[in-house]
Amino acid sequence: NAGVMQNPRHLVRRRGQEARLRCSPMKGHSHVYWYRQLPEEGLKFMVYLQKENIIDESGMPKERFSAEFPKEGPSILRIQQVVRGDSAAYFCASSPDRGRAGELFFGEGSRLTVL
Amino acid sequence: GESVGLHLPTLSVQEGDNSIINCAYSNSASDYFIWYKQESGKGPQFIIDIRSNMDKRQGQRVTVLLNKTVKHLSLQIAATQPGDSAVYFCAAAIYGQNFVFGPGTRLSVLP
Repeated sequence: NAGVMQNPRHLVRRRGQEARLRCSPMKGHSHVYWYRQLPEEGLKFMVYLQKENIIDESGMPKERFSAEFPKEGPSILRIQQVVRGDSAAYFCASSPDRGRAGELFFGEGSRLTVL
Repeated sequence: GESVGLHLPTLSVQEGDNSIINCAYSNSASDYFIWYKQESGKGPQFIIDIRSNMDKRQGQRVTVLLNKTVKHLSLQIAATQPGDSAVYFCAAAIYGQNFVFGPGTRLSVLP
């Protein structure tokens, strides 16, 4: 049973380019979360999605960032016109049940470097 | 809202000793807590969880203690091993929603 799969693991972009990060949740999981982690810092919540719905995007910057979780395919975190401050590790997590508190299963992360 | 902090950014212990990592949370409505371990270059891994109706929970070599009165929880690792070296995060959820993570404590195990 594959875990949460993220790709690419490493991504380098120049300022102004677009970054697309993909996340395939664990089989049977319908809840996806994206977190950002700066070096030597904790995980900051960005967005919580279910299939075809954004449930909570309170942690996501209002501009340049968007996320989706289509009916088919992986969840995608999209960053337009990247800036150096976007350099971070982006972690995706999934869970099987939102009705009660359950653990989050994390992927290995996508590390974005903006030159 | 909720904020989660850790008392120490780094902790060094001798191999074989017990480790105690502390965490404070701010919102008394937090009802679910998880400790995660993150090794370098990897994603966080679940260690142990505890719900607010419990004070203590034990796993294999790990124990989590929850003190709701002072809004504090701790992770105890017995007989710390080199493989325990990592960053440890506590996370708190309110009504089971949107985990808030602390900044992490880096545990170094000395030979």
